[in-house]
Parts: sequence; C-alpha cells; structure tokens
Amino acid sequence: ETGVTQSPTHLIKTRGQQVTLRCSSQSGHNTVSWYQQALGQGPQFIFQYYREEENGRGNFPPRFSGLQFPNYSSELNVNALELDDSALYLCASSPGTESSGNTIYFGEGSWLTVV
Amino acid sequence: QKEVEQDPGPLSVPEGAIVSLNCTYSNSAFQYFMWYRQYSRKGPELLMYTYSSGNKEDGRFTAQVDKSSKYISLFIRDSQPSDSATYLCAMSVANAGKSTFGDGTTLTVKP
Repeated sequence: ETGVTQSPTHLIKTRGQQVTLRCSSQSGHNTVSWYQQALGQGPQFIFQYYREEENGRGNFPPRFSGLQFPNYSSELNVNALELDDSALYLCASSPGTESSGNTIYFGEGSWLTVV
Repeated sequence: QKEVEQDPGPLSVPEGAIVSLNCTYSNSAFQYFMWYRQYSRKGPELLMYTYSSGNKEDGRFTAQVDKSSKYISLFIRDSQPSDSATYLCAMSVANAGKSTFGDGTTLTVKP
C-alpha cells in the first residue's frame, strides 16, 4: 500500500454542481499529479502541481482547477459538473516533476458519479 | 488516433501459462516506458520501468522495448490467479510531468 491517500472514496453529484477531491502525498514527495480515468479507459493527465504551482496541464477545460498546499497535499476542484465527468480521479505523488521515475505512487482514487 | 494503443482483451489463460501483453505508440519522443497493474476499482501499481530500448527482468516479469518498431511488451511467466488484473502501459518523454497511458488489457488467469 502506498502512502498516498485520497478522499472521498466515492461520491455522487448532480450535473451543474461543484466538487472538491483531496489528496495527501507520500512523505517526502513534493509533486502531485491528477489523472481522470473513465470506465474502460486509461488514466488521462489533468495537471501537475510542484511546490504549490501548476507545472503542466493536459487537455482539460478551465473548470478543472487545483491547489497544492505547503505540506504538498493537493485538491482537485471541478465546477459545473457534466455527466461525462463521471470517472475515477487518481492522484499520483512523486519526489520530483518527472513522470518517468520508478518512485511514482498512485492513490486508490475517488470515484465520482454525476447524475 | 491515440498516441498509445493497447489491445483491450479480455485475455484469459490457464494458471502457469506465459502471458504476453503489448502496446504500440506513435510518439518517437517517448523515452520512458512503464507497466502498471490495476486491480478492480483500485489505483494503478507500478510493475516495471524501462528507459529506452532493451529488456528488463524482475522475477516473473520481463519488459521489452523496441523503439525502432515503437512497440513494447510485458511478459508474465508462470502466471498465477493473483495476476488477474488490468495491465496498463504508460510512456513519457524526458523531463515531462505527465505519462500517456494505454487503455489497459484485462487479464484473467484461471486456476
């Protein structure tokens, strides 16, 4: 089991609402990346946070936003929820910004259902 | 067309079989190649990590990368029922913050 914890594990929201997902990174890791994994698909990169600044963003609209705190924990916020936002949201922590290392750990994810 | 293509399966094999999982990709800038295992409704777990072309072995698992063909493979020897999961390939360019994933192959190993 990794030291990356995510909350909540499951939630149901109504279209148009807003949601906040949280991630506590592995001890010693200063970088958090967020991914969206729709059913039957691979994870899609949303963005990465390094030392409280956004450090790269995937092809997601501005209603997907994030924060990183001084303790390196992170939040993912999604506004104006759409049905297609229903997915598993994964947080990955790493000791640096490169995604290529073997020290990247994923949390168990937050399952979001939008109805 | 997706940057990374992976046969979704499903793949079903008897216990003890050799399993071959494959991905192809189109971005020649990819230099780092990873294989993740994902159990149902869980987060991905890194299995193998390879830089550039070549082979890497870890226990029952062997990862192969052929950059000239833009093709990577994961072999599982003596497969076990506990290997039943979805296997995701992932790739990244140097100094990149993101990995690009395939859509996963679902494997079932029957006792």
